[in-house]
Amino acid sequence: EDQVTQSPEALRLQEGESSSLNCSYTVSGLRGLFWYRQDPGKGPEFLFTLYSAGEEKEKERLKATLTKKESFLHITAPKPEDSATYLCAVREAGGGNKLTFGTGTQLKVEL
Amino acid sequence: NAGVTQTPKFQVLKTGQSMTLQCAQDMNHNSMYWYRQDPGMGLRLIYYSASEGTTDKGEVPNGYNVSRLNKREFSLRLESAAPSQTSVYFCASSEEGKGLLGYTFGSGTRLTVV
Repeated sequence: EDQVTQSPEALRLQEGESSSLNCSYTVSGLRGLFWYRQDPGKGPEFLFTLYSAGEEKEKERLKATLTKKESFLHITAPKPEDSATYLCAVREAGGGNKLTFGTGTQLKVEL
Repeated sequence: NAGVTQTPKFQVLKTGQSMTLQCAQDMNHNSMYWYRQDPGMGLRLIYYSASEGTTDKGEVPNGYNVSRLNKREFSLRLESAAPSQTSVYFCASSEEGKGLLGYTFGSGTRLTVV
């Protein structure tokens, strides 16, 4: 049973066309939900950590939100340089510092 | 620049050969991890080390061994490589006790087993 499911698998946007990526999770006790950005040929780069339902974090054109069952990564007026794969991961209570990752959403922003 | 350094960046092995992937971090982090990334599978944890001197299995440990050489270094060894181990391998580190700041990842080792 998947603990972390991301959708869509791929998303193509026009520059300036806002949208949202989804990460749904099923864990017994959430100790943190993480968003990462990964560029081709590189390691994931940390973006945000969310701890509790209702929390929001922002960075430039990105805003992450969290509910009890899912998280959204909202991208406002994206630019081509926002093109990347966005990964979601969860840390479960009793799991130490281990993260379980989703398979990612590949975002392409076109001019 | 501070971070996680992985070597080599690329490697081609023949089935049955052995090799060690090296990882070092200079951020004084306690915890270190090895993940593999395959298309459609996401990042899967192979082994991790919560602190110097300890190692534990992750989700996909079979065919691998690890050594936490000191606080900085965490190596991954393939004793007898198999084509199923063709993947991109990422090392990561994290700090405990300072909030959940997430991992810092290395740039990866792309391994092909033929």
